[in-house]
Amino acid sequence: DAGVIQSPRHEVTEMGQEVTLRCKPISGHDYLFWYRQTMMRGLELLIYFNNNVPIDDSGMPEDRFSAKMPNASFSTLKIQPSEPRDSAVYFCASSLPSWQGDTEAFFGQGTRLTVV
Amino acid sequence: DAKTTQPTSMDCAEGRAANLPCNHSTISGNEYVYWYRQIHSQGPQYIIHGLKNNETNEMASLIITEDRKSSTLILPHATLRDTAVYYCIVRVLLNQGGKLIFGQGTELSVKP
Repeated sequence: DAGVIQSPRHEVTEMGQEVTLRCKPISGHDYLFWYRQTMMRGLELLIYFNNNVPIDDSGMPEDRFSAKMPNASFSTLKIQPSEPRDSAVYFCASSLPSWQGDTEAFFGQGTRLTVV
Repeated sequence: DAKTTQPTSMDCAEGRAANLPCNHSTISGNEYVYWYRQIHSQGPQYIIHGLKNNETNEMASLIITEDRKSSTLILPHATLRDTAVYYCIVRVLLNQGGKLIFGQGTELSVKP
């Protein structure tokens, strides 16, 4: 398996534009997580899904952020409208369900977002 | 999930063992101890986890005290490539409502 795949790797956009980040989890993984990392706040959990259903979105900063998981192999994180303070590295991760014993989460390489 | 306390930074000489401590004095009986690391600019990487017993894998060893209020991650022969931020996380299993929450971690610098 190629691991968790995120796209794009880098994104530069102007303030006010819509930004869509994409993630393909590892096949067979039931959990999918979205994180944001900045120097000031570290790694923050934004939202996570189980079997394509959002379980906890308490980390989503505000209504400008939305995440979807239309099927088991694809998820998106959308920011509309984007603001300079959204500049960060966004990570996606996936893991097997707990009943399968190993709850190791695998992370993608991240998307570096810059909003100017 | 229980809170963890880790030193902000540590140094280690190349080839020596790196011992990274973590305090989790409020840990509950069904909470596991997980360790991840993040090498600069990469996504976090799982290292090891345990509940009560000490654990060892090809990357590291995890020593959990008998009262489970603290643990130590041991990298037996640190190399320059082990320079990273190491995160200790305490949580229940995902299907019990556990969340993978990262604190500030310990920045380990392995020096030649």
